[in-house]
Amino acid sequence: DVKVTQSSRYLVKRTGEKVFLECVQDMDHENMFWYRQDPGLGLRLIYFSYDVKMKEKGDIPEGYSVSREKKERFSLILESASTNQTSMYLCASSTLPWRANTGELFFGEGSRLTVL
Amino acid sequence: KQEVTQIPAALSVPEGENLVLNCSFTDSAIYNLQWFRQDPGKGLTSLLLIQSSQREQTSGRLNASLDKSSGRSTLYIAASQPGDSATYLCAGLGANSKLTFGKGITLSVRP
Repeated sequence: DVKVTQSSRYLVKRTGEKVFLECVQDMDHENMFWYRQDPGLGLRLIYFSYDVKMKEKGDIPEGYSVSREKKERFSLILESASTNQTSMYLCASSTLPWRANTGELFFGEGSRLTVL
Repeated sequence: KQEVTQIPAALSVPEGENLVLNCSFTDSAIYNLQWFRQDPGKGLTSLLLIQSSQREQTSGRLNASLDKSSGRSTLYIAASQPGDSATYLCAGLGANSKLTFGKGITLSVRP
Protein backbone atom coordinates (compact mmCIF):
# COMPACT_ATOMS: atom_id res chain seq x y z
CA ASP A 1 0.00 0.00 0.00
CA VAL A 2 1.09 3.53 -0.75
CA LYS A 3 1.89 5.43 2.38
CA VAL A 4 2.09 9.19 2.72
CA THR A 5 3.16 10.19 6.20
CA GLN A 6 2.83 13.63 7.70
CA SER A 7 5.07 14.10 10.69
CA SER A 8 2.70 16.03 12.92
CA ARG A 9 -1.03 15.51 13.26
CA TYR A 10 -1.61 18.51 15.51
CA LEU A 11 0.51 21.63 16.02
CA VAL A 12 -0.05 24.79 18.00
CA LYS A 13 2.24 27.72 17.17
CA ARG A 14 2.42 31.39 17.98
CA THR A 15 2.18 34.25 15.50
CA GLY A 16 5.55 34.96 13.93
CA GLU A 17 7.01 31.51 14.55
CA LYS A 18 8.62 29.55 11.73
CA VAL A 19 6.74 26.33 11.10
CA PHE A 20 7.88 23.20 9.28
CA LEU A 21 5.42 20.59 8.06
CA GLU A 22 7.07 17.41 6.84
CA CYS A 23 5.72 14.83 4.42
CA VAL A 24 7.28 11.54 3.36
CA GLN A 25 6.02 9.04 0.78
CA ASP A 26 7.31 5.52 0.33
CA MET A 27 6.28 4.70 -3.24
CA ASP A 28 8.91 6.55 -5.26
CA HIS A 29 6.32 9.01 -6.61
CA GLU A 30 7.56 11.86 -8.75
CA ASN A 31 4.84 14.31 -7.82
CA MET A 32 4.14 15.71 -4.38
CA PHE A 33 1.63 18.35 -3.33
CA TRP A 34 0.65 20.53 -0.40
CA TYR A 35 -2.98 21.58 0.04
CA ARG A 36 -4.82 23.40 2.74
CA GLN A 37 -8.43 22.66 3.55
CA ASP A 38 -10.79 25.15 5.13
CA PRO A 39 -14.55 24.94 5.79
CA GLY A 40 -16.50 26.41 2.92
CA LEU A 41 -13.40 26.86 0.77
CA GLY A 42 -12.53 23.24 0.07
CA LEU A 43 -9.03 22.13 -0.86
CA ARG A 44 -6.65 24.70 -2.27
CA LEU A 45 -3.27 23.92 -3.76
CA ILE A 46 -0.35 25.73 -2.13
CA TYR A 47 2.67 24.27 -3.93
CA PHE A 48 3.58 21.17 -5.85
CA SER A 49 6.77 19.48 -6.97
CA TYR A 50 7.28 17.13 -9.92
CA ASP A 51 10.90 16.31 -9.22
CA VAL A 52 13.67 16.78 -6.68
CA LYS A 53 14.51 20.45 -6.22
CA MET A 54 11.65 21.40 -8.57
CA LYS A 55 8.64 23.31 -7.34
CA GLU A 56 5.74 25.23 -8.74
CA LYS A 57 3.31 27.61 -7.13
CA GLY A 58 -0.24 26.56 -6.71
CA ASP A 59 -3.24 28.78 -6.20
CA ILE A 60 -2.32 30.24 -2.80
CA PRO A 61 1.49 30.25 -2.35
CA GLU A 62 1.71 33.55 -0.46
CA GLY A 63 3.20 33.13 2.99
CA TYR A 64 4.53 29.64 2.24
CA SER A 65 7.65 28.07 0.80
CA VAL A 66 8.60 24.46 0.13
CA SER A 67 11.65 22.26 -0.02
CA ARG A 68 12.25 19.00 -1.86
CA GLU A 69 15.82 17.86 -1.36
CA LYS A 70 15.01 14.16 -1.64
CA LYS A 71 12.42 12.46 -3.81
CA GLU A 72 10.51 10.99 -0.90
CA ARG A 73 10.28 14.14 1.22
CA PHE A 74 8.40 17.39 0.63
CA SER A 75 8.38 20.06 3.30
CA LEU A 76 6.07 23.01 3.69
CA ILE A 77 7.49 26.04 5.49
CA LEU A 78 5.62 28.94 7.02
CA GLU A 79 8.30 31.58 7.42
CA SER A 80 6.30 33.67 9.87
CA ALA A 81 3.06 32.05 10.91
CA SER A 82 -0.07 34.15 11.05
CA THR A 83 -3.51 33.42 12.46
CA ASN A 84 -5.03 33.19 8.98
CA GLN A 85 -2.80 30.19 8.35
CA THR A 86 -4.71 28.18 10.93
CA SER A 87 -5.95 25.28 8.84
CA MET A 88 -5.77 21.60 7.98
CA TYR A 89 -2.74 20.92 5.77
CA LEU A 90 -2.78 17.90 3.51
CA CYS A 91 0.16 16.39 1.67
CA ALA A 92 -0.36 14.18 -1.38
CA SER A 93 1.70 12.29 -3.92
CA SER A 94 1.09 10.68 -7.29
CA THR A 95 2.86 8.75 -10.02
CA LEU A 96 3.98 9.90 -13.46
CA PRO A 97 5.08 13.27 -14.73
CA TRP A 98 2.56 15.88 -13.65
CA ARG A 99 2.08 17.30 -17.12
CA ALA A 100 0.85 13.97 -18.40
CA ASN A 101 -0.61 12.86 -15.14
CA THR A 102 -3.05 10.02 -15.21
CA GLY A 103 -1.89 8.76 -11.87
CA GLU A 104 -3.89 8.33 -8.73
CA LEU A 105 -3.47 10.87 -5.95
CA PHE A 106 -2.70 9.59 -2.44
CA PHE A 107 -3.05 11.73 0.68
CA GLY A 108 -1.53 11.76 4.12
CA GLU A 109 -3.59 11.96 7.31
CA GLY A 110 -3.32 15.72 7.53
CA SER A 111 -1.72 18.20 9.93
CA ARG A 112 -4.04 20.42 11.91
CA LEU A 113 -2.20 23.71 12.56
CA THR A 114 -3.46 26.30 14.99
CA VAL A 115 -1.69 29.66 15.08
CA LEU A 116 -2.39 31.72 18.20
CA LYS B 1 -11.02 27.64 -15.61
CA GLN B 2 -12.24 24.24 -14.43
CA GLU B 3 -15.00 24.33 -11.84
CA VAL B 4 -16.22 21.25 -10.02
CA THR B 5 -19.57 21.28 -8.25
CA GLN B 6 -21.08 18.78 -5.87
CA ILE B 7 -24.72 19.19 -4.97
CA PRO B 8 -26.24 18.74 -2.44
CA ALA B 9 -23.66 19.59 0.21
CA ALA B 10 -25.19 17.07 2.63
CA LEU B 11 -27.32 13.97 2.36
CA SER B 12 -28.96 11.72 4.94
CA VAL B 13 -30.31 8.29 4.02
CA PRO B 14 -31.50 5.20 5.90
CA GLU B 15 -29.27 2.16 6.00
CA GLY B 16 -29.65 -0.21 3.05
CA GLU B 17 -30.56 2.45 0.51
CA ASN B 18 -28.80 2.63 -2.85
CA LEU B 19 -27.64 6.16 -3.51
CA VAL B 20 -25.99 8.34 -6.13
CA LEU B 21 -23.62 11.20 -5.44
CA ASN B 22 -23.24 13.73 -8.23
CA CYS B 23 -20.23 15.67 -9.46
CA SER B 24 -20.35 18.15 -12.34
CA PHE B 25 -17.45 19.88 -14.09
CA THR B 26 -17.17 22.66 -16.63
CA ASP B 27 -14.10 21.63 -18.65
CA SER B 28 -15.07 18.68 -20.82
CA ALA B 29 -11.43 18.16 -21.83
CA ILE B 30 -10.87 16.29 -18.60
CA TYR B 31 -7.98 13.84 -18.28
CA ASN B 32 -9.26 11.90 -15.31
CA LEU B 33 -11.69 12.11 -12.44
CA GLN B 34 -11.07 10.75 -8.98
CA TRP B 35 -13.44 10.11 -6.08
CA PHE B 36 -12.24 10.37 -2.49
CA ARG B 37 -13.63 9.70 0.94
CA GLN B 38 -12.76 11.84 3.95
CA ASP B 39 -13.58 10.98 7.55
CA PRO B 40 -13.75 13.84 10.08
CA GLY B 41 -10.31 15.22 10.93
CA LYS B 42 -8.56 12.84 8.57
CA GLY B 43 -6.94 12.92 5.16
CA LEU B 44 -8.52 11.85 1.88
CA THR B 45 -8.70 8.22 0.86
CA SER B 46 -8.80 7.43 -2.83
CA LEU B 47 -11.86 5.39 -3.82
CA LEU B 48 -11.92 5.27 -7.60
CA LEU B 49 -10.06 6.84 -10.50
CA ILE B 50 -11.63 7.06 -13.96
CA GLN B 51 -9.40 7.87 -16.90
CA SER B 52 -10.80 10.02 -19.70
CA SER B 53 -10.96 7.00 -22.01
CA GLN B 54 -13.08 5.04 -19.53
CA ARG B 55 -16.78 5.26 -18.78
CA GLU B 56 -16.84 3.67 -15.34
CA GLN B 57 -14.92 1.95 -12.58
CA THR B 58 -16.12 -0.41 -9.88
CA SER B 59 -14.80 -1.38 -6.48
CA GLY B 60 -16.96 -3.51 -4.24
CA ARG B 61 -20.22 -1.67 -3.54
CA LEU B 62 -18.97 1.46 -5.31
CA ASN B 63 -19.37 2.31 -8.96
CA ALA B 64 -18.22 5.57 -10.51
CA SER B 65 -19.15 6.75 -13.98
CA LEU B 66 -17.83 9.52 -16.18
CA ASP B 67 -19.70 11.31 -18.97
CA LYS B 68 -17.44 13.96 -20.42
CA SER B 69 -19.97 15.22 -22.94
CA SER B 70 -22.41 16.20 -20.21
CA GLY B 71 -19.72 17.20 -17.70
CA ARG B 72 -20.87 14.75 -15.08
CA SER B 73 -19.58 11.99 -12.88
CA THR B 74 -21.60 9.94 -10.43
CA LEU B 75 -20.62 7.74 -7.51
CA TYR B 76 -23.11 4.98 -6.88
CA ILE B 77 -23.10 3.33 -3.45
CA ALA B 78 -25.07 0.11 -3.19
CA ALA B 79 -26.73 -1.06 0.02
CA SER B 80 -25.43 1.82 2.11
CA GLN B 81 -24.15 1.16 5.64
CA PRO B 82 -23.55 3.44 8.64
CA GLY B 83 -19.82 2.95 8.03
CA ASP B 84 -20.24 4.75 4.71
CA SER B 85 -20.94 7.99 6.59
CA ALA B 86 -18.21 10.43 5.53
CA THR B 87 -17.57 13.30 3.14
CA TYR B 88 -17.13 12.31 -0.49
CA LEU B 89 -15.12 14.54 -2.80
CA CYS B 90 -14.53 14.40 -6.52
CA ALA B 91 -11.59 15.96 -8.31
CA GLY B 92 -11.01 16.44 -12.02
CA LEU B 93 -7.74 16.88 -13.87
CA GLY B 94 -8.39 19.41 -16.61
CA ALA B 95 -6.69 20.42 -19.84
CA ASN B 96 -4.67 23.03 -17.95
CA SER B 97 -3.06 20.19 -15.98
CA LYS B 98 -4.63 21.44 -12.80
CA LEU B 99 -6.54 19.21 -10.42
CA THR B 100 -9.74 20.86 -9.22
CA PHE B 101 -11.71 19.58 -6.25
CA GLY B 102 -15.37 19.84 -5.49
CA LYS B 103 -16.30 20.89 -1.96
CA GLY B 104 -17.69 17.50 -1.11
CA ILE B 105 -20.95 15.87 -0.09
CA THR B 106 -21.32 14.91 3.56
CA LEU B 107 -23.19 11.64 3.72
CA SER B 108 -24.93 10.34 6.82
CA VAL B 109 -26.32 6.80 6.77
CA ARG B 110 -28.83 6.28 9.57
CA PRO B 111 -29.01 2.84 11.22
